[in-house]
Amino acid sequence: SQTIHQWPATLVQPVGSPLSLECTVEGTSNPNLYWYRQAAGRGLQLLFYSVGIGQISSEVPQNLSASRPQDRQFILSSKKLLLSDSGFYLCAWSRDGEQYFGPGTRLTVT
Amino acid sequence: DQQVKQNSPSLSVQEGRISILNCDYTNSMFDYFLWYKKYPAEGPTFLISISSIKDKNEDGRFTVFLNKSAKHLSLHIVPSQPGDSAVYFCAATYDYKLSFGAGTTVTVRA
Repeated sequence: SQTIHQWPATLVQPVGSPLSLECTVEGTSNPNLYWYRQAAGRGLQLLFYSVGIGQISSEVPQNLSASRPQDRQFILSSKKLLLSDSGFYLCAWSRDGEQYFGPGTRLTVT
Repeated sequence: DQQVKQNSPSLSVQEGRISILNCDYTNSMFDYFLWYKKYPAEGPTFLISISSIKDKNEDGRFTVFLNKSAKHLSLHIVPSQPGDSAVYFCAATYDYKLSFGAGTTVTVRA
């Protein structure tokens, strides 16, 4: 069966510090991978998606970036965090139109 | 631009009664629709889906209805149970990407 992992589960970072969130998927190959953010009181916003190694599409201009160094690894990064980057970050993979989400990372920028 | 809209931010229903969640979309290219359930501090979990070629899909207590001419989607939960209390997201997909509504918080009263 397929499983998706995200870490860390929670993170508190000061403004201006770097960020690296990691997501890995097990039990499938060449999945489509996604990063979403849920800000307080809002829906899920698609940030990045990837259909293959090294292929990243950005949906929203921001100070975040994504990379896919391996087939089942998706990384969300920032060089300098902003207060507005606080939120709940979710990684997902998809098959046959359905997306399956990881447990999420709660990021608080102080 | 919000392509998927859930106009009711919250819904309160008595245990045993029917919960009806509504969703509207604007993009006629969407070809697959999904409902997700989310508890606080967890990733969304897939609930039920429907292809654009169908108008109804049923899975246990959950039924999704699609009215393509009205660009309207609904989720019926019968009977509602206390464990159904959560945030429900409507989503629609086209070309790898999932667009989410803002969510409806369902509270099931005993």
